Amino acid sequence: DTGVSQDPRHKITKRGQNVTFRCDPISEHNRLYWYRQTLGQGPEFLTYFQNEAQLEKSRLLSDRFSAERPKGSFSTLEIQRTEQGDSAMYLCASSQTTQQFFGPGTRLTVL
Amino acid sequence: AQKITQTQPGMFVQEKEAVTLDCTYDTSDPSYGLFWYKQPSSGEMIFLIYQGSYDQQNATEGRYSLNFQKARKSANLVISASQLGDSAMYFCAMRENLNGGSQGNLIFGKGTKLSVKP
Repeated sequence: DTGVSQDPRHKITKRGQNVTFRCDPISEHNRLYWYRQTLGQGPEFLTYFQNEAQLEKSRLLSDRFSAERPKGSFSTLEIQRTEQGDSAMYLCASSQTTQQFFGPGTRLTVL
Repeated sequence: AQKITQTQPGMFVQEKEAVTLDCTYDTSDPSYGLFWYKQPSSGEMIFLIYQGSYDQQNATEGRYSLNFQKARKSANLVISASQLGDSAMYFCAMRENLNGGSQGNLIFGKGTKLSVKP
């Protein structure tokens, strides 16, 4: 039984570049969530999907952030024109019932 | 608006002793869920325990128990017989009733860093 996986685990990029992160949820889970965690804070909700439908995206931090979940399986989170303030851990979680299972996260560093 | 407050930035406990991590919450919804997660230095969030607002008894999972006091809006985590491997960040969270029902997103507190001393 595999858990939630995320790729890459670490990403270093220069300011202004675009980055894309991938999340593979637990296979039978219909809901997928993205969170951002900055240093010293708890995770902050960004967006979520039920199957392939993105049901909430008002919490995405700016229009530079977008997410997709084609075919209701894996999901991608893209940040365009990265800024130094985007440096954080990006966490993905999936659920079938109440409990959310988290992946190991992608740590983004913007230079 | 829903909110989670963890007032202890850091806690120390001696190995084999019990420790209580505080969590208070604010919500106007009659139905809600409360969670505790552990985050080791590796970064992954590990689910520990869940308490539903209508659950009659306090939740327990092995060495973890949740001291749920609804009138006080508190949901403290009790770890019994602390182990060195318990050293980590601990986050209290509440399910946000956006439009997700029982699968809504989570709102997290700022966390408590627990250090277990040998």
